[in-house]
Amino acid sequence: GENVGLHLPTLSVQEGDNSIINCAYSNSASDYFIWYKQESGKGPQFIIDIRSNMDKRQGQRVTVLLNKTVKHLSLQIAATQPGDSAVYFCAETSYGQNFVFGPGTRLSVLP
Amino acid sequence: KAGVTQTPRYLIKTRGQQVTLSCSPISGHRSVSWYQQTPGQGLQFLFEYFSETQRNKGNFPGRFSGRQFSNSRSEMNVSTLELGDSALYLCASATDSFQETQYFGPGTRLLVL
Repeated sequence: GENVGLHLPTLSVQEGDNSIINCAYSNSASDYFIWYKQESGKGPQFIIDIRSNMDKRQGQRVTVLLNKTVKHLSLQIAATQPGDSAVYFCAETSYGQNFVFGPGTRLSVLP
Repeated sequence: KAGVTQTPRYLIKTRGQQVTLSCSPISGHRSVSWYQQTPGQGLQFLFEYFSETQRNKGNFPGRFSGRQFSNSRSEMNVSTLELGDSALYLCASATDSFQETQYFGPGTRLLVL
């Protein structure tokens, strides 16, 4: 699978604001998507997932939106907190294939 | 339930040596995948094992190999280490092999001098 990892975009938000992290995925056949959070020195931590038969899924303070028409995934974090500061990855897969990860977005929460 | 564990957490080797990394999946998980993470290339898939069989393989040279045991624990081996093999090696486990949530371990940080 392909992997793009040369550039890490950064998003800075004020504490308490909402954050929106975007991901453009590559394979139109992908039908399962996951968002991960990775803090410094740790492995990626599962946040939320969504399958292609849905366009929105909500968790605790997080919402994932899927737009299959333009192959776009977004992660919305409500009332962003300092503990949300991390690198966020989207991952896509289709049946029988391995997960392909996006390059990641660094979220920086400003006090 | 205990999470994915990886040993060792840190490792320093020199060029030409070989290394073996270990991963113990979450209890009940039968799928184990390995990834290499570097600042320049991001997270890249190495291989995936399910029920002791390699199910998928990424685009890495043959120096990278792995195996899975009957208790689902997995090891990966890198022979003839190169400087470019310095990376964080991550293991992820899942209940089944396809389209199930993968849960990651903390990784093994390998430095090749």
